[in-house]
Amino acid sequence: SQTIHQWPATLVQPVGSPLSLECTVEGTSNPNLYWYRQAAGRGLQLLFYSVGIGQISSEVPQNLSASRPQDRQFILSSKKLLLSDSGFYLCAWSSGTGDEKLFFGSGTQLSVL
Amino acid sequence: AQKITQTQPGMFVQEKEAVTLDCTYDTSDPSYGLFWYKQPSSGEMIFLIYQGSYDQQNATEGRYSLNFQKARKSANLVISASQLGDSAMYFCAMREASQGATNKLIFGTGTLLAVQP
Repeated sequence: SQTIHQWPATLVQPVGSPLSLECTVEGTSNPNLYWYRQAAGRGLQLLFYSVGIGQISSEVPQNLSASRPQDRQFILSSKKLLLSDSGFYLCAWSSGTGDEKLFFGSGTQLSVL
Repeated sequence: AQKITQTQPGMFVQEKEAVTLDCTYDTSDPSYGLFWYKQPSSGEMIFLIYQGSYDQQNATEGRYSLNFQKARKSANLVISASQLGDSAMYFCAMREASQGATNKLIFGTGTLLAVQP
């Protein structure tokens, strides 16, 4: 069966520090991968998605970047965090074959102070 | 313009009763999919139910059913026989076929459901 791992679960970082959040998927190949952000009390906003290694699409202009160095690995990064980067970050995957479901990781709560 | 609208920020329901969570959507794409996800306080997003725009029947998954009214562009979630464990945030989401093979979901702002004993 497929599983998605996301870490760390919580992170407190000072303004201006770098960020690296990692997400890996097991049990499937060539998945579509996604990074969503959820601000407190809000819905989810799609930040990045990837349909293959090295292929990254950005949905909103921002201080963050994403990379996909391996088929089942998706990384969210920042060189210098801003206060506004605080939020709950969720990684997700879908099969990329037309299957409709999106499966989410357990999320990372990022607090930038 | 809002693509997914959930007008109920919060709802209360008595245990064992049924509850309906509202969702309306806006799209010009003739082919689309509608989803409901549950987010407990732990934060993970749990897939509940899916309805395709061409599906003839309303989707059902155990105690969850989706009241799909295409002409009204509504996709309300009905939870029957509420349980204390149903207390969570519930999100409605939509995928438009024009997105192709990507499954980019557009989410509503959510409804916080509290089940009372």
